[in-house]
Amino acid sequence: DARVTQTPRHKVTEMGQEVTMRCQPILGHNTVFWYRQTMMQGLELLAYFRNRAPLDDSGMPKDRFSAEMPDATLATLKIQPSEPRDSAVYFCASGLAGIGIEYGYTFGSGTRLTVV
Amino acid sequence: AQTVTQSQPEMSVQEAETVTLSCTYDTSESDYYLFWYKQPPSRQMILVIRQEAYKQQNATENRFSVNFQKAAKSFSLKISDSQLGDAAMYFCAYRSEFGNEKLTFGTGTRLTIIP
Repeated sequence: DARVTQTPRHKVTEMGQEVTMRCQPILGHNTVFWYRQTMMQGLELLAYFRNRAPLDDSGMPKDRFSAEMPDATLATLKIQPSEPRDSAVYFCASGLAGIGIEYGYTFGSGTRLTVV
Repeated sequence: AQTVTQSQPEMSVQEAETVTLSCTYDTSESDYYLFWYKQPPSRQMILVIRQEAYKQQNATENRFSVNFQKAAKSFSLKISDSQLGDAAMYFCAYRSEFGNEKLTFGTGTRLTIIP
């Protein structure tokens, strides 16, 4: 089965450090999403891309978060500087716009980030 | 803005029995999709079933079926013949057919299967 690959699976870092999370979407998918899951807020959208262009990043704290797609096979989410409140599970999901995207998106296994 | 409400934080069911998880949503749109995702302890979000709002027929996937009531804005998930592997968090989600394609999730229901 095709899958969305996220690395690292776990990350523990000290406050103030830069964190980079990576996502390899399913080959051929042109839409990529970043979600964050916390106990308090649940699952919330941070940003999403279509054909590598950002379509919505309104859920992302702009002062410290950045999301990019250097190419069609890689999406990155960076936090600089990291803070304890950023501790969460970060999910990447991908889908194919126009054909089949109504079938729901495929999620990766997530990156569990702990900022101490 | 759309909202999704899951009013049952936890549910439990005996193995082999049937359980229904509730979901309601609020929207002014007429065209949209609804989904149920399963999140087991492994953390992976797995699509269980989806429903297009324009379809009157309720979706079914093996032991999983939905009761979609568009006028009532209700979208419940029924799991028949519950199995130990069904134990997980279940999230209801909404997506507009047009415009922003993000999924709006409910807060989830933790399902426990009693052997």
